[in-house]
Amino acid sequence: DSGVTQTPKHLITATGQRVTLRCSPRSGDLSVYWYQQSLDQGLQFLIQYYNGEERAKGNILERFSAQQFPDLHSELNLSSLELGDSALYFCASSVGPGGNTEAFFGQGTRLTVV
Amino acid sequence: SQQGEEDPQALSIQEGENATMNCSYKTSINNLQWYRQNSGRGLVHLILIRSNEREKHSGRLRVTLDTSKKSSSLLITASRAADTASYFCTYGSSNTGKLIFGQGTTLQVKP
Repeated sequence: DSGVTQTPKHLITATGQRVTLRCSPRSGDLSVYWYQQSLDQGLQFLIQYYNGEERAKGNILERFSAQQFPDLHSELNLSSLELGDSALYFCASSVGPGGNTEAFFGQGTRLTVV
Repeated sequence: SQQGEEDPQALSIQEGENATMNCSYKTSINNLQWYRQNSGRGLVHLILIRSNEREKHSGRLRVTLDTSKKSSSLLITASRAADTASYFCTYGSSNTGKLIFGQGTTLQVKP
């Protein structure tokens, strides 16, 4: 158990809908990262927050948004969903702001858009 | 970019053999990290090696770092079927926030 909790584990929704994925980082970790992993795209970095503020942005679509709350949990919002958004979405957390300390991953949310 | 490039893309060996995979990068780094991912699961941190270290061991894992060649290697000795997974490298070069992974090396260990 990495200590990072992601909910829900599975999500099936229709095209055009909006979903929210939730991540609770390990106790004491200030950084949260979001990743999308699909079969043909590998592990794509979406966005990172550190202590409530956006720290780095990757290949995140405009239809996607995220935030980190004062209690350090984070949510990833996906809207106007398309079939191609079907993927595993991972959250990771680390103590430091990025790349210089080990990251701990959750078990992911498997999103299926039908 | 902070993406490491793993090589080979795929590796298939027999149980008991050693597996070596490599990672190359393009910038100066503070550290380099290796992760493992079992199919459909989250990544698991294996080892972090700092730029002033040349070699590091953890159980059956040995990681080397050559900053002059901007490369690292991960050696798994006496492999087991349970080592079957994808292996990724990534690194920290500054407090930029990004933690980016390459396509990884897919290792298959046959019993």
